[in-house]
Amino acid sequence: DAEITQSPRHKITETGRQVTLACHQTWNHNNMFWYRQDLGHGLRLIHYSYGVHDTNKGEVSDGYSVSRSNTEDLPLTLESAASSQTSVYFCASSAGTEIFADTQYFGPGTRLTVL
Amino acid sequence: GDSVTQMEGPVTLSEEAFLTINCTYTATGYPSLFWYVQYPGEGLQLLLKATKADDKGSNKGFEATYRKETTSFHLEKGSVQVSDSAVYFCALRKRGSTLGRLYFGRGTQLTVWP
Repeated sequence: DAEITQSPRHKITETGRQVTLACHQTWNHNNMFWYRQDLGHGLRLIHYSYGVHDTNKGEVSDGYSVSRSNTEDLPLTLESAASSQTSVYFCASSAGTEIFADTQYFGPGTRLTVL
Repeated sequence: GDSVTQMEGPVTLSEEAFLTINCTYTATGYPSLFWYVQYPGEGLQLLLKATKADDKGSNKGFEATYRKETTSFHLEKGSVQVSDSAVYFCALRKRGSTLGRLYFGRGTQLTVWP
């Protein structure tokens, strides 16, 4: 069955370190998204991609970067981790073929703690 | 800009009670509307959706009707179960493009007691 996976599921790191969170989908979806989820803020969009070599900034992109070298993967990199980036991170993908109601499928999430 | 506003939680109900979670939106044009559900420790999953005015989305006993005149998409269920305890997110997506990002509300925590 097609799926979307994230790794690691839990990560503890120190301030200033570079961290990369992996996202892999086997749906062959064009669109991929990264969100962070924090109490009181719901889900906020970090970066998104509509296809290979395409990346776009969301509302909270400062301190994060992504690259899309193939259809299946969209890794999220924290260039220099800060305590404010402690959060739960969700990756999602969608086919990008439905004009009216493209469904996003979410991964299980990565809980990141920055000490 | 485009946005979604959900009622503040948490919502606590007894089993078999009636549930309403309010959602209103602001958007240019006519968006598609969604409800996503997040069970404890999991990612979000689509619960239901509606793509045009007066459409009713339904799934697992939940319903929501797209009301263009009131810019609302309230979630309802006639008789909740303990297994419905989760966080519910309302979201919108602009129509007319395959390049669709979602705009989420802040989520409403629902707890159902037996």
